[in-house]
Amino acid sequence: ETGVTQSPTHLIKTRGQQVTLRCSSQSGHNTVSWYQQALGQGPQFIFQYYREEENGRGNFPPRFSGLQFPNYSSELNVNALELDDSALYLCASSHDRSSGANVLTFGAGSRLTVL
Amino acid sequence: GDSVTQMEGPVTLSEEAFLTINCTYTATGYPSLFWYVQYPGEGLQLLLKATKADDKGSNKGFEATYRKETTSFHLEKGSVQVSDSAVYFCALPRAGGTSYGKLTFGQGTILTVHP
Repeated sequence: ETGVTQSPTHLIKTRGQQVTLRCSSQSGHNTVSWYQQALGQGPQFIFQYYREEENGRGNFPPRFSGLQFPNYSSELNVNALELDDSALYLCASSHDRSSGANVLTFGAGSRLTVL
Repeated sequence: GDSVTQMEGPVTLSEEAFLTINCTYTATGYPSLFWYVQYPGEGLQLLLKATKADDKGSNKGFEATYRKETTSFHLEKGSVQVSDSAVYFCALPRAGGTSYGKLTFGQGTILTVHP
C-alpha cells in the first residue's frame, strides 16, 4: 500500500505571492487534513476535506484554501504569502469517521520559505 | 479550548537509559489520547494510543497510561536505543463538531539518544 506523498518537498516564495501544495492520500483513505508546523512547534490544524468538501477549519484566515479531488488527492493554496507562513506543511490522510479515523498517515511535508 | 502540554526542552539520554516524556491535557470529557513520533526527514507516525481512562497504549517498547485523575498521558520506555532519536508529540482530538482526523498537538519533545 502506498503512503501519503506530497509535492514539492521544498520551495521558496516571496511575500505577496501565491503557492499551491499537493498531496496524494494513502490508498483506501478518503479524508485529507492539512497541518502547518512552524519550526520547533507541533503541527497546527488548518482544515480537513471529506467527500470533496471542507469539513472543519482551524484558526487560519481565508487566504488558506483547499481542494479535494474525486481520487481523494488534495491541494492547499495560500494567497498573499506572509513571512509567518514559512513552515512545514503536512498532509495527513485517514478513513472517514471510523474509530480509526484519528490514526492519521502523514506525508513527509512541503517546506515553504517566504522571503 | 482543549489543549496539550508537553515537557519543555530537548531530552538527551545514553543508550539503555529509562525515558519519560511528560504530557498533560485539558479537555472536556475523556477524549482518546495519542503519541505520534517524527523521525528525521519523515512524516509523523502514530506510536501508540489510548481510547479511554486507565487504558495503556503500547508499541515498540513504549508505553503510556491514560490517567484521568491527573489528566496525564506520560510516555515511557525502559531502555532507549539510538534509533529512538526523534521528535515525540502528544495529541488529542480537537473539540467541537466532528473531530475525526483533526488533532491538537503538543509542541513536541526532541529526544536524542547517544551510544
